[in-house]
Amino acid sequence: DADVTQTPRNRITKTGKRIMLECSQTKGHDRMYWYRQDPGLGLRLIYYSFDVKDINKGEISDGYSVSRQAQAKFSLSLESAIPNQTALYFCATGGQVTGELFFGEGSRLTVL
Amino acid sequence: GENVEQHPSTLSVQEGDSAVIKCTYSDSASNYFPWYKQELGKRPQLIIDIRSNVGEKKDQRIAVTLNKTAKHFSLHITETQPEDSAVYFCAASHSGNTGKLIFGQGTTLQVKP
Repeated sequence: DADVTQTPRNRITKTGKRIMLECSQTKGHDRMYWYRQDPGLGLRLIYYSFDVKDINKGEISDGYSVSRQAQAKFSLSLESAIPNQTALYFCATGGQVTGELFFGEGSRLTVL
Repeated sequence: GENVEQHPSTLSVQEGDSAVIKCTYSDSASNYFPWYKQELGKRPQLIIDIRSNVGEKKDQRIAVTLNKTAKHFSLHITETQPEDSAVYFCAASHSGNTGKLIFGQGTTLQVKP
């Protein structure tokens, strides 16, 4: 389903470039998350936000920043991309009633 | 902070056999334990979850058990089918306070026909 939409879906960039990954959702959820997936390392939390004025660091926030532009939009930025940031990035949303997260389709980033 | 360890990293079973994946967590305050399934090239999706006030939950061929004292929980899949082949992730959080979900490293399950 397209309830959680990520753009771009694929991106190849060079070391030192600034990259922004965008996420928008139509589920009406307050909570939004950015995760990074690497083989053997699972899904690691980068940043999360429980409302527009709330931003929190996750497990691996160094080298990343986020912006919660609206309830429905949560962007992840790499100010100066490096090769070890090559990964599959997932945005997710969740409501307060249950703990279930709804993931976007993922953004595959390659840093050369 | 919370740390979740998951094993095995890979698991291969014959169709019809059972599969068990185990996870341990570090934070005794965690009270919500979901399991997500990620098929190849797809997004993770919730398949079952359990809260700390129960010890076991079943949904057709899948079940989850929780041992709060030992701080571990397990996913059990019975009568496995080829379509069960996927990566499975466990996770833990304080669903009430933070909703910050921390995942394990994942288990790649292969069900051989």
